Amino acid sequence: DTGVSQDPRHKITKRGQNVTFRCDPISEHNRLYWYRQTLGQGPEFLTYFQNEAQLEKSRLLSDRFSAERPKGSFSTLEIQRTEQGDSAMYLCASSPKGGGNQPQHFGDGTRLSIL
Amino acid sequence: EDQVTQSPEALRLQEGESSSLNCSYTVSGLRGLFWYRQDPGKGPEFLFTLYSAGEEKEKERLKATLTKKESFLHITAPKPEDSATYLCAVPGAASKLTFGTGTRLQVTL
Repeated sequence: DTGVSQDPRHKITKRGQNVTFRCDPISEHNRLYWYRQTLGQGPEFLTYFQNEAQLEKSRLLSDRFSAERPKGSFSTLEIQRTEQGDSAMYLCASSPKGGGNQPQHFGDGTRLSIL
Repeated sequence: EDQVTQSPEALRLQEGESSSLNCSYTVSGLRGLFWYRQDPGKGPEFLFTLYSAGEEKEKERLKATLTKKESFLHITAPKPEDSATYLCAVPGAASKLTFGTGTRLQVTL
């Protein structure tokens, strides 16, 4: 079990630039989630994939955000035209089949800082 | 909409001083409750799942319990390495988790 892997761990960029993050889930997990966490808060749900299908998106996910999971393996989260408010830790999690009572396992996140 | 409230926000204990963390929840139908531990700069690490009122789970110095309205994480004789933020979460529709804001625990010598 290699765990959930996220890359990069840190990203610093100027306001207005585009950024892309990658998540590699635990290999046998078919569900993949993206969350955002700001200082002093718990993670907030952004979006969810079952295999390659994106099944739900939060209202937090503006049009500048897009996520993909080609072939149901790794996933990418892209933020276009970044804004100061996008500064946060972006966390990826995965879980096996079995519904909501299966625990989600998290990666160590990508910390995004907007200058 | 599911809601999770954790208290206290922060807790400072001396080594060996036992205490409890609280997680109150409001959900339309309980599908389980998860406890996670989060160290600074890291992602949440899964600790326990509780499925029904009355259930208890234990791991080393930690014991989690569940009632119909809240969950407790009991820490017995904590050590400095137990210092972390403890998060609880409930799964909703599509399994998305709703988290509380966490309890920051500091255990000193």
